[in-house]
Amino acid sequence: DAGVTQSPTHLIKTRGQQVTLRCSPKSGHDTVSWYQQALGQGPQFIFQYYEEEERQRGNFPDRFSGHQFPNYSSELNVNALLLGDSALYLCASSLTTGSWQETQYFGPGTRLLVL
Amino acid sequence: AQRVTQPEKLLSVFKGAPVELKCNYSYSGSPELFWYVQYSRQRLQLLLRHISRESIKGFTADLNKGETSFHLKKPFAQEEDSAMYYCALGGNTGKLIFGQGTTLQVKP
Repeated sequence: DAGVTQSPTHLIKTRGQQVTLRCSPKSGHDTVSWYQQALGQGPQFIFQYYEEEERQRGNFPDRFSGHQFPNYSSELNVNALLLGDSALYLCASSLTTGSWQETQYFGPGTRLLVL
Repeated sequence: AQRVTQPEKLLSVFKGAPVELKCNYSYSGSPELFWYVQYSRQRLQLLLRHISRESIKGFTADLNKGETSFHLKKPFAQEEDSAMYYCALGGNTGKLIFGQGTTLQVKP
C-alpha cells in the first residue's frame, strides 16, 4: 500500500486561474480531509469529505471546493487564485467507524505557487 | 474558541539531554490530542495520540486537563529525533487543529 498519494507534486499558476488537486486515500479508508499549510505555519483545516459529501468545513471562502468520488478519492478545487493561496496542500485519509474517527494519515502534499 | 499553542518555534538540545516540547490547548468539549512529526523531506506522520497511551520512539505525552496541556517528553534525545513536531487537537467533529509547530534540533 503506497499510503495516501497526491498529484501533482508541484504546480505554478497565475492569479485568477483555477486549480485542481487530487488525492487517493490509503487502502481501506473512506474519509478525506484537506489542509492548507502556509510557509512556517501548521496545517489549517479546509474541509472533510465522507460518503461523497462535505461533512465539515473550516474558515475558507467558497473559492475552495471539493469532491469525493465513489472510490473515495478526492479533488480540491480553488477558483480565482490569489497570491495568498500559495501553500502546501495536504490531503489526509482516515476511516470513519460510527461516530468515531480513526487516525488521519497524510499524503506528501502538493506545493502550489501563485504568481 | 478551539486553539493549539506551541510556544517554542525552536528547541535546541544536546544528544542525551531530556526533551520537553510544550503544547497547550483550548477546547470546550472532550479533547483528543495528537503529536505529529515531520522528518526532513518526509510526510507528516503520527507520533502518538493520547488515548493510546503508548510510548513511541521513547516519546510520551500525558494529557493534563486541568492545565489544558499535552507536552511531549523524551528522557534522552537522539540526533535522529531532529524534526518538526506539531501538536494537534481533534474532537468529535473529525477536523484537526494544529499548532504552529516546534523544530527540535538535537546537537551531537
